[in-house]
Amino acid sequence: KQEVTQIPAALSVPEGENLVLNCSFTDSAIYNLQWFRQDPGKGLTSLLLIQSSQREQTSGRLNASLDKSSGRSTLYIAASQPGDSATYLCAVKGGGSTLGRLYFGRGTQLTVWP
Amino acid sequence: EAGVAQSPRYKIIEKRQSVAFWCNPISGHATLYWYQQILGQGPKLLIQFQNNGVVDDSQLPKDRFSAERLKGVDSTLKIQPAKLEDSAVYLCASSLGSALGEQYFGPGTRLTVT
Repeated sequence: KQEVTQIPAALSVPEGENLVLNCSFTDSAIYNLQWFRQDPGKGLTSLLLIQSSQREQTSGRLNASLDKSSGRSTLYIAASQPGDSATYLCAVKGGGSTLGRLYFGRGTQLTVWP
Repeated sequence: EAGVAQSPRYKIIEKRQSVAFWCNPISGHATLYWYQQILGQGPKLLIQFQNNGVVDDSQLPKDRFSAERLKGVDSTLKIQPAKLEDSAVYLCASSLGSALGEQYFGPGTRLTVT
């Protein structure tokens, strides 16, 4: 069964810092990997989606990398801002017998203070 | 384009009562998902529909949970009778084609069972 782990569970930093959030997964037979943002009382907003054949994706200040063979992904946030405060969730979409199912980590709760 | 709609947004019930949640997916999306997100955890898939047929309900506690998508559009998720451990956010998501397509999430329904 696919297990997704995110480290750290929580992070509190001053504005302007560059951040790295980590995600690991146990089964490398994935279809893709996705990073989501979740704000309190709201649903999930997709940030970046990396296909299994890709190594990284970038959107603005966000960069996500994928090393499928080692079961790892990182989300890099440059020049953090208070508006980045949220919970960040990593999810892998299963391949093989679990094709299409999304497996989520517990998330990293990020606080960026002014 | 309207997003995934869910109602109610919040619900408080006593244990052993019943409750129902409603979801309206993005227009034209064939696949609909219900997830349960317990506080501090990532979302867990409960059931997946392709049009009005069930594709995956392996993680649905069928003794108390039921879901339907009669006309291949709206869906309802019911819990009867509720237990304390059912307190969670229930998220609905939809994707355009199969489960391989990107999923779009609604704002969720926060259920508190007392």
